[in-house]
Amino acid sequence: KNEVEQSPQNLTAQEGEFITINCSYSVGISALHWLQQHPGGGIVSLFMLSSGKKKHGRLIATINIQEKHSSLHITASHPRDSAVYICAVMNYGGSQGNLIFGKGTKLSVKP
Amino acid sequence: DARVTQTPRHKVTEMGQEVTMRCQPILGHNTVFWYRQTMMQGLELLAYFRNRAPLDDSGMPKDRFSAEMPDATLATLKIQPSEPRDSAVYFCASGLVAGRYVDGYTFGSGTRLTVV
Repeated sequence: KNEVEQSPQNLTAQEGEFITINCSYSVGISALHWLQQHPGGGIVSLFMLSSGKKKHGRLIATINIQEKHSSLHITASHPRDSAVYICAVMNYGGSQGNLIFGKGTKLSVKP
Repeated sequence: DARVTQTPRHKVTEMGQEVTMRCQPILGHNTVFWYRQTMMQGLELLAYFRNRAPLDDSGMPKDRFSAEMPDATLATLKIQPSEPRDSAVYFCASGLVAGRYVDGYTFGSGTRLTVV
């Protein structure tokens, strides 16, 4: 079983829809990242959070440490949001900063 | 904006050749990571450095891969000899890490390596 599980693997939405991507993890963590990767592109860090909720524009990330679960929400989705969204956790303890990645969620937003 | 710079962006090489990838971390960051991304495995850690000292390279095939940080502005990842299964995108990332405190985690644009 992977230490970081994302769902769904693939997601197609119509422009304007509210989108939720989920991430569950099985290890103790010090922080969780949500990353965005456009096709053929680099990786951009959207959020790093260790508790509660963060908001940036139309993006909202939440984390529940007790339940070992995080969600990424996109409000009023737009075709430019089409990308792969990757959940990555920073393992608590000896790993000191390196990330364990989920397999990613491929989002396609249709106009 | 501060950036992590990776060179080259693309590299096509023949099997058996040596490949060197370079990374310039963000000034002031004390930790540099090398990650590899493939379709099959996704993203996985190869090695990382703290204050230029190697901390963990257990993700790297030791017989052919080597990672070094000759100074604070340059990290290198070398493959010798290269094999077709090394074809992947190699990402460098840097950040400021102190215990549980992490700041400024930033990825480079990656080096897309194709070994034929």
